[in-house]
Amino acid sequence: GQSLEQPSEVTAVEGAIVQINCTYQTSGFYGLSWYQQHDGGAPTFLSYNALDGLEETGRFSSFLSRSDSYGYLLLQELQMKDSASYFCADGASGSARQLTFGSGTQLTVLP
Amino acid sequence: GAGVSQTPSNKVTEKGKYVELRCDPISGHTALYWYRQSLGQGPEFLIYFQGTGAADDSGLPNDRFFAVRPEGSVSTLKIQRTERGDSAVYLCASSFKDTTDTQYFGPGTRLTVL
Repeated sequence: GQSLEQPSEVTAVEGAIVQINCTYQTSGFYGLSWYQQHDGGAPTFLSYNALDGLEETGRFSSFLSRSDSYGYLLLQELQMKDSASYFCADGASGSARQLTFGSGTQLTVLP
Repeated sequence: GAGVSQTPSNKVTEKGKYVELRCDPISGHTALYWYRQSLGQGPEFLIYFQGTGAADDSGLPNDRFFAVRPEGSVSTLKIQRTERGDSAVYLCASSFKDTTDTQYFGPGTRLTVL
């Protein structure tokens, strides 16, 4: 089986940095994907880590450590529009293998 | 270009009824996925199509759920004898091919079974 654990809620202020952690227990782990979902909206792809290390995309960075079964999403220079749910998922970003999602972290950015 | 579209956006039905949910993937995408998302949870995989065939239907909860993609583009998720527990947002995603590309999600259909 597969399971991914994330904190249910995180709160931070505008302009700050926030880290959302994800630990996983999976068989046949492919890599760690991150998706953002605003209320009532579609999940949108943010990043994917196939290998250990840090991937940076603008204000967002994602990290993976396979030896620790752990990853995180780092959001810098937080903006109000970043308030959303963030999901980590096991699965290559578009492989034939289906994505297995964590239960999501609700990020609230305060002014 | 246009993204993944799903219709209807909302569907309210009564327990025991039959419903069909439609997904139009991004043009040219050969891979199509259905997920179900309950409130406060992440999407849960239901079925994956590669072209016209269901390559993996291991996530379908029972035989009341069925999906088709007859021409390798539009897909329909069909639910028979709906139950209150089927209430959820049903998400569709597509990707260009089955190996390397990002899954792009549609906005979902919110199904409410009364």
